Amino acid sequence: DSGVTQTPKHLITATGQRVTLRCSPRSGDLSVYWYQQSLDQGLQFLIQYYNGEERAKGNILERFSAQQFPDLHSELNLSSLELGDSALYFCASSVGSGPSNTGELFFGEGSRLTVL
Amino acid sequence: GQSLEQPSEVTAVEGAIVQINCTYQTSGFYGLSWYQQHDGGAPTFLSYNALDGLEETGRFSSFLSRSDSYGYLLLQELQMKDSASYFCAASNQAGTALIFGKGTTLSVSS
Repeated sequence: DSGVTQTPKHLITATGQRVTLRCSPRSGDLSVYWYQQSLDQGLQFLIQYYNGEERAKGNILERFSAQQFPDLHSELNLSSLELGDSALYFCASSVGSGPSNTGELFFGEGSRLTVL
Repeated sequence: GQSLEQPSEVTAVEGAIVQINCTYQTSGFYGLSWYQQHDGGAPTFLSYNALDGLEETGRFSSFLSRSDSYGYLLLQELQMKDSASYFCAASNQAGTALIFGKGTTLSVSS
């Protein structure tokens, strides 16, 4: 158990809908990262927040948005969903503003989104 | 931008040694990490290199050559449970998020 909690674990919805994925980082971690993993694909970096502020942005679509709240939990909002958005969405956390000197991120178990 | 290349699949037998290579093209490269993922589960950290050379952690070792923009993960005394996907990931000097390769699927047979 990494200490990172993601909800929901599974989500099935229809095209055009909007969903929210939630992540609670490890206790004491200030950074939250969101990654998308499609079938047989690597982990695509979406966005990172550090202590409530956006720190880095990757290949995140305009239909997607995220935020980190004062209690450090984060939410990833996916709107106008398309079939291609079906994927595993992982949240990870770290103590500092980056992977630090150890190169280690702690990943949650992921939220599996299926768009029908 | 950043990109990492690694083989898509590797097969080996129990007890063998396997090496998974990773070449990277990144701006402001800082270090190379390796992660293991079983069947869509949470990726878990294995090893990290910021300096050239070999880092050993039990049966797993990782190597980095900054001049060659190249690294590898070495798995020794393979076990069936090592069947998984292995990802290399690069961090940059800005210290922001890890960028991952597409992963290598390792299949270990008896």
